[in-house]
Amino acid sequence: RKEVEQDPGPFNVPEGATVAFNCTYSNSASQSFFWYRQDCRKEPKLLMSVYSSGNEDGRFTAQLNRASQYISLLIRDSKLSDSATYLCVVNGVSGTYKYIFGTGTRLKVLA
Amino acid sequence: ETGVTQTPRHLVMGMTNKKSLKCEQHLGHNAMYWYKQSAKKPLELMFVYSLEERVENNSVPSRFSPECPNSSHLFLHLHTLQPEDSALYLCASSQSQTSRTEAFFGQGTRLTVV
Repeated sequence: RKEVEQDPGPFNVPEGATVAFNCTYSNSASQSFFWYRQDCRKEPKLLMSVYSSGNEDGRFTAQLNRASQYISLLIRDSKLSDSATYLCVVNGVSGTYKYIFGTGTRLKVLA
Repeated sequence: ETGVTQTPRHLVMGMTNKKSLKCEQHLGHNAMYWYKQSAKKPLELMFVYSLEERVENNSVPSRFSPECPNSSHLFLHLHTLQPEDSALYLCASSQSQTSRTEAFFGQGTRLTVV
């Protein structure tokens, strides 16, 4: 089983749609969780950290379910500029400082 | 000035060449990382340095040799590479005292081995 699993997509959605991405992780000892965004041929950049209580940043909401080892990202009112690959990242596995990445989910927002 | 800077941005090298990738971070972090990103694969962690000491080596072939002379600089020395080593090589840094902080990435070096 992969350490971090994501549906690779692509997700093609119209502007204004709400879209949700899911991610599962295999190691229950994982300590911190992030969503990164990667544009084509660019480096990954932090979108948001994911906290146990859930957190929201504008149109983006992240949730963590430790019992199910599951992380989600919800994007409301999608914009064309949201088109990118969204990477689920898990850290703190086995007490080391390794950021483990999922394969990423490609999102394309259509006009 | 970007937080993590990588040079060169693009590199084409023959299989018998020796080259080095350079990474510099200006964020005051004490952990640095090399990742490899190939097409349709997740980022693969290659090496981790914490406080200038290598703490992770993910079964990387010896043709890749990292060097961390101080907490701000990280190198990846390359020699006798194979065409399948062609990929985007990303450097990152973080504050290693806590796993709750995010990693910051450089723009990457796109390597082509011919």
